[in-house]
Amino acid sequence: SQLAEENLWALSVHEGESVTVNCSYKTSITALQWYRQKSGEGPAQLILIRSNEREKRNGRLRATLDTSSQSSSLSITATRCEDTAVYFCATSSSGSWQLIFGSGTQLTVMP
Amino acid sequence: DAGVTQTPRHEVAEKGQTIILKCEPVSGHNDLFWYRQTKIQGLELLSYFRSKSLMEDGGAFKDRFKAEMLNSSFSTLKIQPTEPKDSAVYLCASRQGDNYAEQFFGPGTRLTVL
Repeated sequence: SQLAEENLWALSVHEGESVTVNCSYKTSITALQWYRQKSGEGPAQLILIRSNEREKRNGRLRATLDTSSQSSSLSITATRCEDTAVYFCATSSSGSWQLIFGSGTQLTVMP
Repeated sequence: DAGVTQTPRHEVAEKGQTIILKCEPVSGHNDLFWYRQTKIQGLELLSYFRSKSLMEDGGAFKDRFKAEMLNSSFSTLKIQPTEPKDSAVYLCASRQGDNYAEQFFGPGTRLTVL
């Protein structure tokens, strides 16, 4: 079973709008990473947020982490067509080398 | 610095054939991962190497899947014999540092088994 999962399979927005992708997880974690995968490419990391952090920013991206509700969100402001991709959350746990990936949310940004 | 390289980008095989996928990690990275990606199952870990030593051999996959790391800059994934259900994208990733470090992914090999 999935230990990390994004809450929606797919989202679509128009260029310039803001959008939020949510992720929930089931175990105690030490860090959570957000990855983006564009068509024909491998995933690429966007943000790493550790369990003692509540928020992290990277340009137009903002990730939050709520360890009490075991959830995270990734917000993208002023979306562009090139933000069209699948967005994954991935969790790390203490003592484990493994990164557990969620199933991903397909984001489509329309002109 | 070059990223992770995977070859071939596309592979078509007949059922029962043996195929070998190749990966060159980022230079200097100690950890190397092989994943299988499908729409239904998402990203599934096949193998994990740390400093060329096999740390995880994929559990349910070990039967027909064998990953090797011949040196620190080259890894192969052999599938023998292939079955139609093996059709998927195979991704290689490398990492340097602790367990929180970013995994750098290659572009993947899309395998179709007829």
